[in-house]
Amino acid sequence: QSVLTQPPSVSGAPGQRVTISCTGSSSNIGAGFDVHWYQQLPGAAPKFLIYGSTNRPSGVPDRFSGSKSGTSASLAITGLQAEDEADYYCQSYDSSLSAHVVFGGGTKLTVL
Amino acid sequence: EVQLLESGGGLVQPGGSLRLSCAASGFTFSSYAMSWVRQAPGKGLEWVSAVSGSGGSTYYADSVKGRFTISRDNSKNTLFLQMNSLRAEDTAVYYCAKPFLMASLDAFDIWGQGTMVTVSS
Repeated sequence: QSVLTQPPSVSGAPGQRVTISCTGSSSNIGAGFDVHWYQQLPGAAPKFLIYGSTNRPSGVPDRFSGSKSGTSASLAITGLQAEDEADYYCQSYDSSLSAHVVFGGGTKLTVL
Repeated sequence: EVQLLESGGGLVQPGGSLRLSCAASGFTFSSYAMSWVRQAPGKGLEWVSAVSGSGGSTYYADSVKGRFTISRDNSKNTLFLQMNSLRAEDTAVYYCAKPFLMASLDAFDIWGQGTMVTVSS
């Protein structure tokens, strides 16, 4: 059971907008720690997608955006494309655990 | 080009040991804390351990504390993970990961390709 909770799956048609939620608690997201997002294509290492809750690294399309409010964060993908089909993970820092770095359980995005 | 290249994975019996290495290039290795993150087959990402840039501070997930030891050799730009008393549940792809910011433990912008560790008799 992950410290950060994500829906197991989401889906959308090409061109549509989807959001993936990441729910934490007062010891991680709610404590003000940043949320970061990763995209993992099948058989590949994770790719850095969003950092500092809302920022895109160089090279990441502006179709991807992040937000954070209270104890939750969200990743939004607009103009869905077939190549967006992947697993998405949120990640933050937790002050109550010796683990420090925590990940969400991951969300499988299916492009219909 | 910034790169991380893991090695050392393989098949090991329960209770056995394995040492993973991660060779870094393309950045000032000693300026960054480094982490190991693992992914069991068909499962999500799990942070395992981190070490500060100097090597003086180490951090572990409860699931590996007392069994795994992280270290680094900044003269050789290499990160290590010594894994002892291995269990079936340690079976996973192990990634080394570099944080985006020098002052950070997380927000990993560079990942290696991963090395598979299988614990089985």
